[in-house]
Amino acid sequence: DSGVTQTPKHLITATGQRVTLRCSPRSGDLSVYWYQQSLDQGLQFLIQYYNGEERAKGNILERFSAQQFPDLHSELNLSSLELGDSALYFCASSFLDTLGTEAFFGQGTRLTVV
Amino acid sequence: ELKVEQNPLFLSMQEGKNYTIYCNYSTTSDRLYWYRQDPGKSLESLFVLLSNGAVKQEGRLMASLDTKARLSTLHITAAVHDLSATYFCAVGRAGNMLTFGGGTRLMVKP
Repeated sequence: DSGVTQTPKHLITATGQRVTLRCSPRSGDLSVYWYQQSLDQGLQFLIQYYNGEERAKGNILERFSAQQFPDLHSELNLSSLELGDSALYFCASSFLDTLGTEAFFGQGTRLTVV
Repeated sequence: ELKVEQNPLFLSMQEGKNYTIYCNYSTTSDRLYWYRQDPGKSLESLFVLLSNGAVKQEGRLMASLDTKARLSTLHITAAVHDLSATYFCAVGRAGNMLTFGGGTRLMVKP
């Protein structure tokens, strides 16, 4: 158990809908990262937050947004869902965002869009 | 654009054999990560390599980093069935974001 908690574990929803994925980082970790894993795109970085502030964006669609709350948990919001958004979404956390800091991954949320 | 390539993509090997997974990347970086993923599961951190020439070992796995060649290797010694999994390398970028390779699916046969 990495200490990073993601809910829900599985989510099935219809196209056009909106969902929210939740992540609780390891105790004391300030940095949260979201990644998407799909068969065709592999593992891709989406977005990073550090101590409540957005730090970096990767290949995140405009239909997706995220935030980190004062208690450091984070939520990833996916809207106007398409079939191609079906993937495993991982949250990772690290104590700092210094390059080389070990990052720990949650169990992931498997999103299926039908 | 940073590219990270792993090879082989798939590796089937007998128990007791040795093999190496290669990870090449396209830009200067001296932070390289290795992760293990079991089917449908999370990514488990194996190694974080922090400098040129870094070598780390844990059990039957040993990772090394050559930043000049932009190459990291994951060497498996005397493979056992429990090592069957998908192994990912990732290059660290500013802010500790990770760019992942495509993964190497390892299957160790008894």
